[in-house]
Amino acid sequence: QSALTQPASVSGSPGQSITISCTGTSSDVGGYNYVSWYQQHPGKAPKLMIYEVTNRPSGVSDRFSASKSGDTASLTISGLQTEDEADYYCSSYTRGGTIVFGSGTKVIVL
Amino acid sequence: QVQLQESGPGLVRPSQTLSLTCTVFGGSISSDYHFWTWIRQPAGKGLEWIGRMYTSGSTNYSPSLKSRVTISADTSKNQFSLNLNSVTAADTAVYYCARGGDFAEGYRIDHWGQGTLVTVSS
Repeated sequence: QSALTQPASVSGSPGQSITISCTGTSSDVGGYNYVSWYQQHPGKAPKLMIYEVTNRPSGVSDRFSASKSGDTASLTISGLQTEDEADYYCSSYTRGGTIVFGSGTKVIVL
Repeated sequence: QVQLQESGPGLVRPSQTLSLTCTVFGGSISSDYHFWTWIRQPAGKGLEWIGRMYTSGSTNYSPSLKSRVTISADTSKNQFSLNLNSVTAADTAVYYCARGGDFAEGYRIDHWGQGTLVTVSS
């Protein structure tokens, strides 16, 4: 299984909105509503931000929202803040019963 | 609150077996709806899902690692383990253990260990 495709980096100024894409296939992203998003700061373990395409766990800011269309999922960060600077990974359940992660996107706050 | 802690050697010789253990605190690995999962991350690179074990003992492994990986559990110690054999330098990474949910929980991975660096070198 190949990693889901994400842009290497996305940047924005404080207060702006940015969107990160995550492209897979009909065997993963397009076939199931089991897409999750994780935030990872340097030297730290990833943190779950979104699950089941659009759901936020308790405690995650509502500035984070997500959606899916066909084989592509998207994560939007609104009102960008300096603490949002981190790496972001999508993941999806796959037809083979496994999980596949995205290639990762570095969010840069200008 | 569930917490996970990885333990094991930080250095493994090439062609040998990498063995790590994850101890789970604040929750039982025998609980329903959860998968016990291993994920790794080479330095400066992305996350790679290795595999998972369900409460029943059933397992799923990444196709690229399936021939070399075994995940098992010791319920009496509330631990689960990773064995990766025939390692090479390409297996050098930070290894994370984590708790994942099944379909009822959207297959999300909601609790992670802090990670442990394993270096493969002679």
